[in-house]
Amino acid sequence: NAGVTQTPKFQVLKTGQSMTLQCAQDMNHEYMSWYRQDPGMGLRLIHYSVGAGITDQGEVPNGYNVSRSTTEDFPLRLLSAAPSQTSVYFCASSYSILNTEAFFGQGTRLTVV
Amino acid sequence: AQSVTQLGSHVSVSEGALVLLRCNYSSSVPPYLFWYVQYPNQGLQLLLKYTTGATLVKGINGFEAEFKKSETSFHLTKPSAHMSDAAEYFCAVSDRRAGGTSYGKLTFGQGTILTVHP
Repeated sequence: NAGVTQTPKFQVLKTGQSMTLQCAQDMNHEYMSWYRQDPGMGLRLIHYSVGAGITDQGEVPNGYNVSRSTTEDFPLRLLSAAPSQTSVYFCASSYSILNTEAFFGQGTRLTVV
Repeated sequence: AQSVTQLGSHVSVSEGALVLLRCNYSSSVPPYLFWYVQYPNQGLQLLLKYTTGATLVKGINGFEAEFKKSETSFHLTKPSAHMSDAAEYFCAVSDRRAGGTSYGKLTFGQGTILTVHP
C-alpha cells in the first residue's frame, strides 16, 4: 500500500521560479488537501478538493494554484516562489469531506532563496 | 471561526511518567476532534479521534483522550511514557455541520513537542 506519495522530498528554488509539488494517492479517496507546516504555527490549509474537478481555497491560498483532473492526483503549483514560501508541505487525503481519518504524505521540504 | 490552542509548546517527562498534553478548542458547535503524532521527518499519523458517542476515546500506542464539552477540551494522556513516544503532537478539529464554513477542513493547533527522558 503506497498511501499518499509526495514528490520531491526536498527542493531548493530561487526567488521567482515556479514549480509543481506532486501528490498522488491510491486509496480512491474523494477528499485531498495541501497544508504547509511552519514552526510554532501547526499546519495551515492551503487548498483542498472534494473530488475530481472541484477545488477550493483554504486558509493561506495566495501564491499557490491547484487542480484536480483525476481522483488520484492533486498537484500544488507555486507560481513565483518567494522566501515566505519556505516551508514543509504536506498533502493529505481522506475518504470523504468529514475527515474521519486523514492520511498524510511524507512531506516536501521547500527552501526558497 | 474555529481555533485550537495547545498549552505548552514543549513538554518533558521521564520514562514511565504520566503524559498529559492539553488541547482546548473554540467553536460554536462541538466539532470533530483529532490528535495526530508526527515523528521526525515523517508525515502525520492519526492517534485517535472523537466524532460521537463515548467521550473517552482510546487510540494507538496506549494513548487516550477525553472530550469535555463544558471545558471545550480534548486533552491527550498516556499513563506511562516510553522513549518511543518522543514526537510532536497536534490537536485538530473539523466542523461537523454540513455547509459550515469549516466543514471537512482540519484546523490544527500549534503542536506540542514531547521529550521523554530516561
